[in-house]
Amino acid sequence: AQKITQTQPGMFVQEKEAVTLDCTYDTSDPSYGLFWYKQPSSGEMIFLIYQGSYDQQNATEGRYSLNFQKARKSANLVISASQLGDSAMYFCAMREGTPLVFGKGTRLSVIA
Amino acid sequence: DTAVSQTPKYLVTQMGNDKSIKCEQNLGHDTMYWYKQDSKKFLKIMFSYNNKELIINETVPNRFSPKSPDKAHLNLHINSLELGDSAVYFCASSLTGLAGLPSYNEQFFGPGTRLTVL
Repeated sequence: AQKITQTQPGMFVQEKEAVTLDCTYDTSDPSYGLFWYKQPSSGEMIFLIYQGSYDQQNATEGRYSLNFQKARKSANLVISASQLGDSAMYFCAMREGTPLVFGKGTRLSVIA
Repeated sequence: DTAVSQTPKYLVTQMGNDKSIKCEQNLGHDTMYWYKQDSKKFLKIMFSYNNKELIINETVPNRFSPKSPDKAHLNLHINSLELGDSAVYFCASSLTGLAGLPSYNEQFFGPGTRLTVL
């Protein structure tokens, strides 16, 4: 069974609009971390945001926020005020032990 | 002030050859990883080393042999390269948190090495 599910292979959003990228996860461990990474066409993996399983508040980093719904096991990424430079692959990942388990990614395209 | 560096960035080679990819981190992290990203962009853990000791070895052919001479380095040697080995290989590092406590352990990734086997 997949540990991390990203159901949207591709998404389009208009510049300056907000967009939500979905991520659901599967774990029975009470202690885990959830991450979002961005991979632009240049190929590097850029860390965006982290949410710990015990964190009471949703994580925010600038234009990125994580909509963490623990009971539903979802950790959606919200990007506000999309910019052309946000066009990239976005990966949701979970850490139970030390290595990250990645979802298959969502390709976001921002349209001018 | 590069955090995680990998060399080379691109590697093109013939089937059957042996090649190495080097990784170094200057973050003082104690755990290093190799991930493979296939042509469909799927990222999967291959190996994990903690303080130079192998702690995770996923189902990877034994043609792949990681070597960690010290905590700051984790190299990947591949013998008898095959067409299916073509992928992007990412090195990453993190700092292990205290056992039993959730901790913010961002993994810092290297820039990746694009391996093409002809």
